[in-house]
Formats: sequence, structure tokens, C-alpha cells
Amino acid sequence: EAGVAQSPRYKIIEKRQSVAFWCNPISGHATLYWYQQILGQGPKLLIQFQNNGVVDDSQLPKDRFSAERLKGVDSTLKIQPAKLEDSAVYLCASSTRQEGSPLHFGNGTRLTVT
Amino acid sequence: AQSVTQLGSHVSVSEGALVLLRCNYSSSVPPYLFWYVQYPNQGLQLLLKYTTGATLVKGINGFEAEFKKSETSFHLTKPSAHMSDAAEYFCAVTSSGGYQKVTFGTGTKLQVIP
Repeated sequence: EAGVAQSPRYKIIEKRQSVAFWCNPISGHATLYWYQQILGQGPKLLIQFQNNGVVDDSQLPKDRFSAERLKGVDSTLKIQPAKLEDSAVYLCASSTRQEGSPLHFGNGTRLTVT
Repeated sequence: AQSVTQLGSHVSVSEGALVLLRCNYSSSVPPYLFWYVQYPNQGLQLLLKYTTGATLVKGINGFEAEFKKSETSFHLTKPSAHMSDAAEYFCAVTSSGGYQKVTFGTGTKLQVIP
């Protein structure tokens, strides 16, 4: 099966600019996750979708971050305006709805904010 | 609430030596436990998972982990380290019931010394 696809792989922007990341999950996976991974830390959940509905966005900085999952498939994560502390790797993952199912990760987007 | 604690952010072993990476979890309901590995510039890959049944779980690349409910631990081991095992390892927990919220530990970077 094709894995989780993410683009771009790398992005460098200046602070206060905007940026968008795209994710295509594994076909048939109902649940989609966006994680932020700061260097030297574990992944931190930003937002979780079940089909096209949000089930958890408690750690999403909603004043600058937004995400959508149109038609329950692809998803985009946007940052506007970016801050220096947003420099991180943004990981997308997907899983089935089955309890205890593992996450399948994409290779991530490395964002550098200067 | 659920949480994961990984003891030791960095572990160094000699090639051929035993690998032991520690993980303790906290969960109010029976947990599902996972170990993921992350190589440089890549997303996380599943090493192994514990759902129910046998408490000794075998994963890929010769790794295994033992679920000990009395100690709330899920330590990862490999009898003989190989240079290719050098990577960062993350323990993760999710709980039964409700939507699947996955919480990651802070990671342990494994260095293998030739």
C-alpha cells in the first residue's frame, strides 16, 4: 500500500509569513493526525480528524494555526503568521478507526522560520 | 489522562551489546502500547505494539518489549546491537474507549559504538 504522503519536505520562511503543508493519508484510513516535533522532543499532537470532523484540537494555537480535511481524505495545515518558535518538523499520520491501531507516518515537513 | 515517561534521553551501547530502552506509562484504563523508531529526516515507523494477550511482544529488526502491568512498564530490548539500530526511539500509549488519542514520550536517542 502507498504510504502517507506529505509535501513539501522542506520550507524556509521569514517570521510573519504564512505557510501551508499538505498531507495525503493511506487510502481508507479514517483518522488523520498532525503532530509538531521540535528538535529533541517527542511529537506533540496539534489536531486529530476522524473522517472530516475534528476530534481533538486542544493543543492547536488557533490564533495562528488552522487545518482542514476536505472530503475526509487530504488535509492541509496552515500557519499564519509564522513565529520563530514554529520552527519544527510537522508530521502527518493516519490510522484506521480500529481501537489500538498503529499510526502510519509521512516523512514530515521541516519548517525553518527566520 | 495518559502519559509516557522514557528514562534516558540518550543511551550509548557497544555494537553487539544488549539494548535496553525504558518506558513507563500511566493510564486509567487498559492501554495499548507502541514503540516507534525514527531515523534522521524520516517519519516514525512502528517497531512493535502491545494490544492484548501475550505480554512479550516481538517486533521488527530483532526488537522485543515486555508489558508489565504491575510495574506499568513497557521496556524495549534487543540482545545484540547493530550499527543500523542507531536512531531515536519513541514509546507511545493510547487507551481503549472513545477516540484514539496517542501520547508519545520524549524519545531516547540510541548511539551504537563500533
